[in-house]
Amino acid sequence: DAGVIQSPRHEVTEMGQEVTLRCKPISGHNSLFWYRQTMMRGLELLIYFNNNVPIDDSGMPEDRFSAKMPNASFSTLKIQPSEPRDSAVYFCASSPDLGGADTQYFGPGTRLTVL
Amino acid sequence: AQSVTQLDSQVPVFEEAPVELRCNYSSSVSVYLFWYVQYPNQGLQLLLKYLSGSTLVKGINGFEAEFNKSQTSFHLRKPSVHISDTAEYFCAVSGRAAGNKLTFGGGTRVLVKP
Repeated sequence: DAGVIQSPRHEVTEMGQEVTLRCKPISGHNSLFWYRQTMMRGLELLIYFNNNVPIDDSGMPEDRFSAKMPNASFSTLKIQPSEPRDSAVYFCASSPDLGGADTQYFGPGTRLTVL
Repeated sequence: AQSVTQLDSQVPVFEEAPVELRCNYSSSVSVYLFWYVQYPNQGLQLLLKYLSGSTLVKGINGFEAEFNKSQTSFHLRKPSVHISDTAEYFCAVSGRAAGNKLTFGGGTRVLVKP
């Protein structure tokens, strides 16, 4: 299995531009998580889905952030408009299901820099 | 609600020396406990997890952790580290009810020196 795939791996954009991050979870996994990692705030859960349905988006920082999961093999995290404080590494993770014992498998991350 | 505290933000250690990374948690419900490792410029990967049974859990790369319910701790240990163990280590907790999400600690950065 290829693991969780994220694209792009690096993104540099200017303030005000729209940014779209993409994730392909491990085949057969029913749950998908989006995280953000910064030096100041550590690892933060933004939103997670189960069977393509958003379950908890309480971690999404503001309305500029949105996430979708149109099917079981693809999810996007969109920031519009982007701001310099959005600069971070964004991780996607998937797990077999939402059971508390399930291991989450992380992708390599997308390093976002907003100038 | 759950929370995780990793008491050391950085731990320098010499190669072949032992290392212990401390993790304490708080929760109003029974939990599962995890340790993840993040190598430079990579995503997190599971080292080990405690679900039930023996309180001593063995993981990959020679790591082990001990669950102590009375002290609400889940410390990670390795008897002899290698340069390749240089990484950031995250302790995490999840409630036992289905649908619970992981809560991560702030991470401990381990730097192994030759």
